[in-house]
Amino acid sequence: EAAVTQSPRNKVAVTGGKVTLSCNQTNNHNNMYWYRQDTGHGLRLIHYSYGAGSTEKGDIPDGYKASRPSQENFSLILELATPSQTSVYFCASGADSGNTLYFGEGSRLIVV
Amino acid sequence: GNSVTQMQGQVTLSEEEFLFINCTYSTTGYPTLFWYVQYPGEGPQLLLKVTTANNKGSSRGFEATYDKGTTSFHLQKASVQESDSAVYYCVLGDDTEGADRLTFGKGTQLIIQP
Repeated sequence: EAAVTQSPRNKVAVTGGKVTLSCNQTNNHNNMYWYRQDTGHGLRLIHYSYGAGSTEKGDIPDGYKASRPSQENFSLILELATPSQTSVYFCASGADSGNTLYFGEGSRLIVV
Repeated sequence: GNSVTQMQGQVTLSEEEFLFINCTYSTTGYPTLFWYVQYPGEGPQLLLKVTTANNKGSSRGFEATYDKGTTSFHLQKASVQESDSAVYYCVLGDDTEGADRLTFGKGTQLIIQP
């Protein structure tokens, strides 16, 4: 049974629209992360969280917001989507520092 | 800041050949080094990790040594199989801010021909 689940798995959005990507984890991990994956760039960290109520900026946070309402849930919000945000987004969870990250299966977003 | 360099975008081998994927890193801290593997349609998953400099990690026939002197963490496997076809990421873990932030290399696509 998948421990990190993302929704939606596929999304087509219009430029200027609002997009919310959701992530749920059943690992009871404190830390959660959002990455985007693009050809030639690998995975890049957008936002992360230490626990419920906390959000921190990663390496490429511009144009994105994050929300961590509970231990289990971590959302990525694109208030005004742009074509440059077309990508595959991965959510991950991790326990205390130095431990493995567990990734979801990804959400493919196309902004037209 | 931290950085990871994987120069090989794609490696093509035949079954039973030797695999070597080059990885170098840059950091001012004391990181943990990882190799993650990503199969088509899936998220990345841990292949192996090494927390202590000059130690070796191994898993499923893959090996990597955390060489602090040359700042390298090359991935090797003596004999590849078709099922090893995937994208391999060299990853640097940094705990300086309290949450394990990972810096990924650009990835190496491994293609194994039967």
